[in-house]
Amino acid sequence: EVQLVESGGGLVKPGGSLRLSCAASGFTFSSYSMNWVRQAPGKGLEWVSSISSSSSYIYYADSVKGRFTISRDNAKNSLYLQMNSLRAEDTAVYYCARGKTYYDILTGKQSYYMDVWGKGTTVTVSS
Amino acid sequence: SSELTQDPAVSVALGQTVRITCQGDSLRSYYASWYQQKPGQAPVLVIYGKNNRPSGIPDRFSGSSSGNTASLTITGAQAEDEADYYCNSRDSSVEVFGGGTKLTVL
Repeated sequence: EVQLVESGGGLVKPGGSLRLSCAASGFTFSSYSMNWVRQAPGKGLEWVSSISSSSSYIYYADSVKGRFTISRDNAKNSLYLQMNSLRAEDTAVYYCARGKTYYDILTGKQSYYMDVWGKGTTVTVSS
Repeated sequence: SSELTQDPAVSVALGQTVRITCQGDSLRSYYASWYQQKPGQAPVLVIYGKNNRPSGIPDRFSGSSSGNTASLTITGAQAEDEADYYCNSRDSSVEVFGGGTKLTVL
């Protein structure tokens, strides 16, 4: 069974740090790009960061750039998110999601989508 | 920065057809993907690409695209389709989600 399981969430004070992990199973982890997506309480989904299969390409949302670092260990089938200088507005459920690309030969348009999601881990930033 | 705009809320009578739309400049270059999220649950992919459904997604869900607008159509909405729906698109190297549409099935 294809599965993603996040861990590492918790309560942290503003300015503190936290490291999230995502354990993948049931598929060849090293073949896929991966993402972190978060959802603040009562709010919509917000993409946080993505990393390519070999870690060659890494991207961040402006809201976390310079504070968060995404990484992966393909030997351990694991994805990570190091979160530093945390703020109250970082409070959210953090999901890891597998990324795939679709290419339409006829139109030349692409679609990048997230086909497998974990159940999420909750991060609360509060004094 | 790129944005994707969705109507905050839409309602549909049981068994009727509903269209949920998503607008944004990035949709001229990329197809949207659509996610269903029920309370307390993780999002689930329902449509990707031109009009592709992952395994296990009912065929009453379909997608379409024209210009800067992507649409998710549910033909014959069921009570279990009541959920939040999010569109997503790539814009250069970043991913963007729409604000979400809360679908109520009456």
